[in-house]
Amino acid sequence: AQSVTQLDSQVPVFEEAPVELRCNYSSSVSVYLFWYVQYPNQGLQLLLKYLSGSTLVKGINGFEAEFNKSQTSFHVRKPSVHISDTAEYFCAVTSGSNDYKLSFGAGTTVTVRA
Amino acid sequence: GAGVSQTPSNKVTEKGKYVELRCDPISGHTALYWYRQSLGQGPEFLIYFQGTGAADDSGLPNDRFFAVRPEGSVSTLKIQRTERGDSAVYLCASSLGGAGETQYFGPGTRLLVL
Repeated sequence: AQSVTQLDSQVPVFEEAPVELRCNYSSSVSVYLFWYVQYPNQGLQLLLKYLSGSTLVKGINGFEAEFNKSQTSFHVRKPSVHISDTAEYFCAVTSGSNDYKLSFGAGTTVTVRA
Repeated sequence: GAGVSQTPSNKVTEKGKYVELRCDPISGHTALYWYRQSLGQGPEFLIYFQGTGAADDSGLPNDRFFAVRPEGSVSTLKIQRTERGDSAVYLCASSLGGAGETQYFGPGTRLLVL
């Protein structure tokens, strides 16, 4: 099974500042990569995903992520955050086309302050 | 359309009791997943169904845990002889079934074993 490391458990950030959430995974021949977001009192929803093709992927609410195979990373960023971006963010991975189960990181709590 | 629903939303039981947790997937989704999320951690995979059959049950922690999906739609996760360590949020997700397909999560069932 894949191992996923989210390097920051808590990220406080001021409104309109940029944010980057870091994710590294254990190496594999091929992987599918996901970021999920959990807003307060809501279920997990997909933020963005990488399956193949361009290594830069765009997601909902202005987030984008870059897949870096050599560094086995999939960091997500947003240039200017809003109060409404306060949430927990999870990185997840499957081992390509033969693996359907998601392996999640421990999560990063983003708190946006005015 | 309707998302993934889970019942009950909360369940309190006593150690040693039997519990059933229900998941209603999105209509037309052939794949259904169960995950467990403990406090401060990311979700952990339990079992995956493709149609009626369990395609991967490698995440079930022991033989006290069992899940069924008899008609390829609704699924029930069954836990026998509950232990305090089973306390967690149990998440269900469904997808169209192909590799890399987005998994849509329900709100979860919060299980507390006293």
